[in-house]
Amino acid sequence: EVQLVESGGGLVEPGGSLRLACAASGLNFNNAWMSWVRQTPGKGLEWVGRIKSNADGGTTDYAAPVKGRFALSRDDSRSMVYLQMNALRIEDTGVYYCASRPPPYGDFTFDYWGRGTLVTVSS
Amino acid sequence: ETVLTQSPDTLSLSPGDRVTLSCRASQSVSTNSLAWYQQKPGQAPRLLIYGASNRVTGLPDRFSGGGSGTDFTLTISKLEPEDFAVYFCSRSHTLPLTFGGGTKVEIK
Repeated sequence: EVQLVESGGGLVEPGGSLRLACAASGLNFNNAWMSWVRQTPGKGLEWVGRIKSNADGGTTDYAAPVKGRFALSRDDSRSMVYLQMNALRIEDTGVYYCASRPPPYGDFTFDYWGRGTLVTVSS
Repeated sequence: ETVLTQSPDTLSLSPGDRVTLSCRASQSVSTNSLAWYQQKPGQAPRLLIYGASNRVTGLPDRFSGGGSGTDFTLTISKLEPEDFAVYFCSRSHTLPLTFGGGTKVEIK
């Protein structure tokens, strides 16, 4: 059974930073493309970014609202993916989900989702 | 960026009713890139339909997807109590992946 477990959410002031983590199990993590999707009061479900497998170049792509502020990384030895969030804004408040899919890997549908971690940006 | 607009925002229905949800894209979308998700309170979205009309393994056949171009639908032929939830359409295959605003199907 595939499990994705997010952690690292919490309350942070505008301009602050947080690092979210996603622990994956039950999937071929080394080959998996990992994404983050958030659900915010203002925009609903929103794709945040994706990191390809290292075999596919480890390329990252981001949604326009977070580009330059957020950064994805992965540690295949630990089956972990990380989302470093800097310069946080109030509109970044929401639940952040880690998501992935079985082969074929690509920017396709998300079959696997974590339960999410809540990020609140507020002064 | 392809914007997906879902209508209506909320539907109040009874178990046993038939419902058709609409998803309209701001530009033509490849059929193989349109998906539907279901989300219940406190849970993550769950993939139901991919490629516009393909049910995921184990999904009851009361769920069906259709459409092409800019107009897509999700039909539930006979609502069961567990079907009351929020439904999102989504476009994949091209970045950024996008989601519609959702339609809430609530018990009347």
